Amino acid sequence: QVQLQESGPGLVKPSQTLSLTCTVSGGSISSGGYYWSWIRQHPGKGLEWIGYIYYSGSTYYNPSLKSRVTISVDTSKNQFSLKLSSVTAADTAVYYCARATLDGVLDYWGQGTLVTVSS
Amino acid sequence: SYVLTQPPSVSVAPGKTARITCGGNNIGSKSVHWYQQKPGQAPVLVIYYDSDRPSGIPERFSGSNSGNTATLTISRVEAGDEADYYCQVWDSSSDIRVFGGGTKLTVL
Repeated sequence: QVQLQESGPGLVKPSQTLSLTCTVSGGSISSGGYYWSWIRQHPGKGLEWIGYIYYSGSTYYNPSLKSRVTISVDTSKNQFSLKLSSVTAADTAVYYCARATLDGVLDYWGQGTLVTVSS
Repeated sequence: SYVLTQPPSVSVAPGKTARITCGGNNIGSKSVHWYQQKPGQAPVLVIYYDSDRPSGIPERFSGSNSGNTATLTISRVEAGDEADYYCQVWDSSSDIRVFGGGTKLTVL
């Protein structure tokens, strides 16, 4: 059973960089066959793709966030990470990591972590 | 950009059938996936590739997709089905990776 767990600061100051890590257990990122994804949900709102990474390092970013997003992978630790720069209050959200099949089916999700942007 | 349109809310009595729609331009030519999200929890996949059910999802959940509308159908609705439901389309060839806005299902 694949499990994903987000970790990182729950509070980030405006203009700083939000950094989260997702640790995967029960499956190996380096086995391939999946996109390792970040999705966020603003309070009381819907789901928004942030982007994803393949084990090889190839990435996709939501065009609306592309200039501020970096997703990286560390196969030795079976982790992947999200960095979102120059954050504002509009980036306050629950951030989920998830596994997507190559057809985009999100079959396993982390529990989510709330990140608040505030001074 | 590609937009998926869902009704904000659907209400249904217990034991009845709920239908949640997801509208998109020629969505019938694409694969649609559906997720259920209960308060304070992560989304859970309930339908993929328009109409397939993951293991553990009751047969009461079904899906269809044709023309400009995909539909999630929940038969014999139970109180435990009350949740937000999101449709999702992924079409990498067209650079489409989007979610619908979500539908809140209320069981009366």
